[in-house]
Amino acid sequence: DAGVTQSPTHLIKTRGQQVTLRCSPKSGHDTVSWYQQALGQGPQFIFQYYEEEERQRGNFPDRFSGHQFPNYSSELNVNALLLGDSALYLCASSFKDRGSGYTFGSGTRLTVV
Amino acid sequence: QKEVEQNSGPLSVPEGAIASLNCTYSDRGSQSFFWYRQYSGKSPELIMFIYSNGDKEDGRFTAQLNKASQYVSLLIRDSQPSDSATYLCAVWNQGGKLIFGQGTELSVKP
Repeated sequence: DAGVTQSPTHLIKTRGQQVTLRCSPKSGHDTVSWYQQALGQGPQFIFQYYEEEERQRGNFPDRFSGHQFPNYSSELNVNALLLGDSALYLCASSFKDRGSGYTFGSGTRLTVV
Repeated sequence: QKEVEQNSGPLSVPEGAIASLNCTYSDRGSQSFFWYRQYSGKSPELIMFIYSNGDKEDGRFTAQLNKASQYVSLLIRDSQPSDSATYLCAVWNQGGKLIFGQGTELSVKP
């Protein structure tokens, strides 16, 4: 039973560039949530996708956008990268938005230079 | 005020002792409460969840919930060096978002 897979594992980008991170949810899961985790901090909620729509959003600027595909996989896009966007980006999947079933991927480490 | 608050630690306990980790939350309508463990450089993994007031035990772990005080705790009995990690408290709030605290770093000394 495949867990949550994220790609790439590491990424280095320059300020002002754009980045796309990808996530495939655990088999049987249909909801994907994205989190940003800065060093030494807890994960911060970015947004959640269910039925190909953004259902919930945290306090992140519009530079952060996403998409969910019919196969439930998801992308996180960040435009106009800032140094402060350097963080571990975590994808979590669940079934029908149930908090009890969150499974996290191994994350994408984004470094902005 | 942060929605979920934890002492950042580090909390240091000797091997075999009980480690006590605490968390408070601000949304009184929160429904479900979770403890995740995160090893350095790894992603969070779910240890326990609790919905009702009182205690819930799973092996060496006990989660305690007091909704009136808006307080959640995690006790780890017979702590082992392998328990050394950051423990994240997470709360499923009324808005349907899973909100995390900043985490408490636990160090178990042999």
